[in-house]
Amino acid sequence: QSALTQPASVSGSPGQSITISCIGTSSDVGSYNLVSWYQQHPGKAPKFIIYEVNKRPSGVSNRFSGSKFGNTASLTISGLQAEDEADYYCCSHAGSTIYVFGTGTKVTVL
Amino acid sequence: QVQLQESGPGLVKPSGTLPLTCAVSGYSITSNNWWSWIRQPPGKGLEWIGEIYHTGGTNYNPSLKSRVTISLDKSNNQFSLNLNSVTDADTAVYYCVRHYPNGAYAFDIWGQGTMVTVSS
Repeated sequence: QSALTQPASVSGSPGQSITISCIGTSSDVGSYNLVSWYQQHPGKAPKFIIYEVNKRPSGVSNRFSGSKFGNTASLTISGLQAEDEADYYCCSHAGSTIYVFGTGTKVTVL
Repeated sequence: QVQLQESGPGLVKPSGTLPLTCAVSGYSITSNNWWSWIRQPPGKGLEWIGEIYHTGGTNYNPSLKSRVTISLDKSNNQFSLNLNSVTDADTAVYYCVRHYPNGAYAFDIWGQGTMVTVSS
């Protein structure tokens, strides 16, 4: 089972919106509405920000939103802020393989 | 407040066994929930290792299945990872995590992580 494909880096100016793609296959992203997203600041553990494609856990800013079309999931960050500068990982349930993570995307706030 | 704390040796010799324990506080591991181990090699992405259910049932990443055992210690409210026949490719930060209790296939609570280096 290969890792899901994410862009290595995405950047934007404060206040702008950016979107991170997460490309999988019909065996993972395409088959299950079970994509989650995690934010990781340097030297820290990942933080859970999206589950089941587009649901936000309690306490997570509504500036984070998720979507999915076919084998591709996406995370959009609106109203970009300096604190959003971090690495972001998608993850999908993948049937018998259970879970597969994305390659990770570094978000830079210009 | 739910907290997870990993513990174990920071250095393991090649071909040896990597033993890690995750102490859980603020939540019972016998509750209806799954628990996982996830690792991250230095400068690289996340890799799911395996999971254990409160009943003791397990699932493992097929790429690691032959070398991994995850178990529960209900009396101490903790769960453990054993990874055998380690090589330098197993050098990573290891995280223990709780699955989101609503049944979603996601990881909501993470330990701070523990760095394990495989080296002679």
